[in-house]
Amino acid sequence: DQQVKQNSPSLSVQEGRISILNCDYTNSMFDYFLWYKKYPAEGPTFLISISSIKDKNEDGRFTVFLNKSAKHLSLHIVPSQPGDSAVYFCDPCWTRAGNMLTFGGGTRLMVKP
Amino acid sequence: GAVVSQHPSWVICKSGTSVKIECRSLDFQATTMFWYRQFPKQSLMLMATSNEGSKATYEQGVEKDKFLINHASLTLSTLTVTSAHPEDSSFYICSAPGRLDTQYFGPGTRLTVL
Repeated sequence: DQQVKQNSPSLSVQEGRISILNCDYTNSMFDYFLWYKKYPAEGPTFLISISSIKDKNEDGRFTVFLNKSAKHLSLHIVPSQPGDSAVYFCDPCWTRAGNMLTFGGGTRLMVKP
Repeated sequence: GAVVSQHPSWVICKSGTSVKIECRSLDFQATTMFWYRQFPKQSLMLMATSNEGSKATYEQGVEKDKFLINHASLTLSTLTVTSAHPEDSSFYICSAPGRLDTQYFGPGTRLTVL
């Protein structure tokens, strides 16, 4: 049972526009999320995180929004750049207690020049 | 009395993730905060001194690039354990100095890296 889902396997955006990547989760105990980006043939690198005490975290062009009631989070990239083309993973850490970690399937973002 | 909080209190992550721990002074300002780690059955070990508005001072043997510290305001210091691995699993505690050389400690954050 996949507890974290990224329902859009791919997304294509024009350079300069906004990219919005979505992640849905089912387990309300998840309260700390990380976004990673992964280039081909490389390992994932940490991008931005958010904890449940916030509903928004911003870092430069990257902003993550958390809607706890809807169990939904989204990553916004503004403005999108060709170098942002990568696979993005939404990854929860289970805080307080737990014995299982689950991960979304990733969304491939393609930013066209 | 003065209170220091930490968030999260407990986090379990996969190896390779980066974990950010927040330390807040709730009713007083702290230009300096201290970060410690404690392994089971061992004493607190000072990792670094976090200075508001300037770079942190790290103790010998503590990797600056591994443990990133940001003291962005007078009430918040953050410790980011980058690319965490199982050997980073520990109890991380922050403290802030009060009057007359007292230290107010946070409740700690237990990090477990699988």
